[in-house]
Amino acid sequence: TQLLEQSPQFLSIQEGENLTVYCNSSSVFSSLQWYRQEPGEGPVLLVTVVTGGEVKKLKRLTFQFGDARKDSSLHITAAQPGDTGLYLCAGNYGGSQGNLIFGKGTKLSVKP
Amino acid sequence: DTEVTQTPKHLVMGMTNKKSLKCEQHMGHRAMYWYKQKAKKPPELMFVYSYEKLSINESVPSRFSPECPNSSLLNLHLHALQPEDSALYLCASSQVVSNHYEQFFGPGTRLTVL
Repeated sequence: TQLLEQSPQFLSIQEGENLTVYCNSSSVFSSLQWYRQEPGEGPVLLVTVVTGGEVKKLKRLTFQFGDARKDSSLHITAAQPGDTGLYLCAGNYGGSQGNLIFGKGTKLSVKP
Repeated sequence: DTEVTQTPKHLVMGMTNKKSLKCEQHMGHRAMYWYKQKAKKPPELMFVYSYEKLSINESVPSRFSPECPNSSLLNLHLHALQPEDSALYLCASSQVVSNHYEQFFGPGTRLTVL
């Protein structure tokens, strides 16, 4: 059974602070996706990382894929209240239909 | 058009009702998915359709019945549901981008079973 460990599960910080969310697995991903979800809405795709060691930036968000493609991190610089939400990592282990294995999610709350 | 749409947004039904959830995408994606998501939990995969054929059924009870009428549409027929089936039901579709998949989700249907 493939598992994707995501941490921390909950994070409550003040506006302007930095934070990092981690996803780890013992298996190799063919790709990994990060989503952000607001209550009652569907997950919105933020980024897909594919190549080991890859770094992608989306404004104040930096996504990194481990060299061995078994882990990934999301770093947010100077968090804003608008960053509040559930962040999900989801790994694709190369199945023929692109099935995803989800981490348990990180519930981020940024207080003004 | 780069979105997945779902209707209805909210649905309240009794345990004896029959209802259907609808999902549509016009991105040419050939894989479509149904997920169930409980509060504060990640989405759980229910069904996968690939090229309009059911390829994965994750041991979902028969009171949930998926249907893929064509490559753009995906339905989920509901019958004799239980209160514990109340959840956010998400549809997704995926495309292959440079040999890897990207899944895009719809906004979901919030289902309440009384």
